[in-house]
Amino acid sequence: GENVEQHPSTLSVQEGDSAVIKCTYSDSASNYFPWYKQELGKRPQLIIDIRSNVGEKKDQRIAVTLNKTAKHFSLHITETQPEDSAVYFCAASKNNDMRFGAGTRLTVKP
Amino acid sequence: KAGVTQTPRYLIKTRGQQVTLSCSPISGHRSVSWYQQTPGQGLQFLFEYFSETQRNKGNFPGRFSGRQFSNSRSEMNVSTLELGDSALYLCASSSHGASNTEAFFGQGTRLTVV
Repeated sequence: GENVEQHPSTLSVQEGDSAVIKCTYSDSASNYFPWYKQELGKRPQLIIDIRSNVGEKKDQRIAVTLNKTAKHFSLHITETQPEDSAVYFCAASKNNDMRFGAGTRLTVKP
Repeated sequence: KAGVTQTPRYLIKTRGQQVTLSCSPISGHRSVSWYQQTPGQGLQFLFEYFSETQRNKGNFPGRFSGRQFSNSRSEMNVSTLELGDSALYLCASSSHGASNTEAFFGQGTRLTVV
């Protein structure tokens, strides 16, 4: 089955800096790549997603890039704020079989 | 529109017992997936149901099983509980069978096995 690896496991940045989280996947048939944010004690919520026919997508301070050839995709958060502190999960999906990475704990220091 | 509802929120069980968890998806959603969340392991995929049929399955032992009813509500059962089964169990629903749709998560059921 699909295997998703996510790095780094923890990331600490100063407020206003950028944060980058990287994921690789193993199954070239995966065609949907969402990113979820999970705040402490809360459920994961979608923040951005990208489909395999698109190389990049941006939504305000958040952007995601996808390299299908290399089978990796990344989340970029610019101008980080303390409320961005959370655990972020990447996922790769095909036919509704969605596999997640192990998560990245992002801490934004004021 | 009501979100994904999981019951119960918390459970404490003894080793060897069995447990059943319930998930009610968003109205109109036909796909329900189950995940096990433990610290450091992220979200481990258990299985996915669509129209009462299990379509996808993760790498969990046969002690973990599930089913889906005609109203799309789903249950997950774990038999012969082990200490290592202690985790947060999350279900997620999505609107149809295609893979390019957002999955909405419930609040989860926290299972503690003692």
